[in-house]
Amino acid sequence: DARVTQTPRHKVTEMGQEVTMRCQPILGHNTVFWYRQTMMQGLELLAYFRNRAPLDDSGMPKDRFSAEMPDATLATLKIQPSEPRDSAVYFCASGLVMGVNTGELFFGEGSRLTVL
Amino acid sequence: KNQVEQSPQSLIILEGKNCTLQCNYTVSPFSNLRWYKQDTGRGPVSLTIMTFSENTKSNGRYTATLDADTKQSSLHITASQLSDSASYICVVRTGGGNKLTFGTGTQLKVEL
Repeated sequence: DARVTQTPRHKVTEMGQEVTMRCQPILGHNTVFWYRQTMMQGLELLAYFRNRAPLDDSGMPKDRFSAEMPDATLATLKIQPSEPRDSAVYFCASGLVMGVNTGELFFGEGSRLTVL
Repeated sequence: KNQVEQSPQSLIILEGKNCTLQCNYTVSPFSNLRWYKQDTGRGPVSLTIMTFSENTKSNGRYTATLDADTKQSSLHITASQLSDSASYICVVRTGGGNKLTFGTGTQLKVEL
């Protein structure tokens, strides 16, 4: 049963600490997305990779956030230093792009981050 | 600016009743529209996709409609069950750039 796997599921940390979230996309998918979800804002796009290359990270605060895909089986989202306003649920999603049509996104279970 | 607005923001219905969720969008050019269901503490899962030429599509007790002229979509849930309690998110894709615009969702609660 193919699924997107995210770790950790829950993370509580103190302000100023580094946080790294990891995602294993579904094998064969060529796009990976990082989203942040809060009650107030809903789902916000942070970063988008296609074939491991970053295509859009305009939604990501560049001074403290970074996203990478060191290989096709791993995507990472790092926050350094973390701040209380970063508290949210972070979702990774993967999908398959063919031509100009992009298919369904498959979401992981999310990483709930609390920064004290 | 591309926007997707959903209504109502939240809804409570009794088990067995029907309900309809609305999605209005200003995304252009339009490629497709998906409805996702997000259970509490889980990631969103796709329910159905609507393309420009489709007016109605069903998935079990879920029926989605699309009016591309008025840029409106609805999700109708028939004979609701407790397991339908979730957030329902409307997502519109733009053509060409493959950008997604998310609605903020409708929180549905089905009660006994």
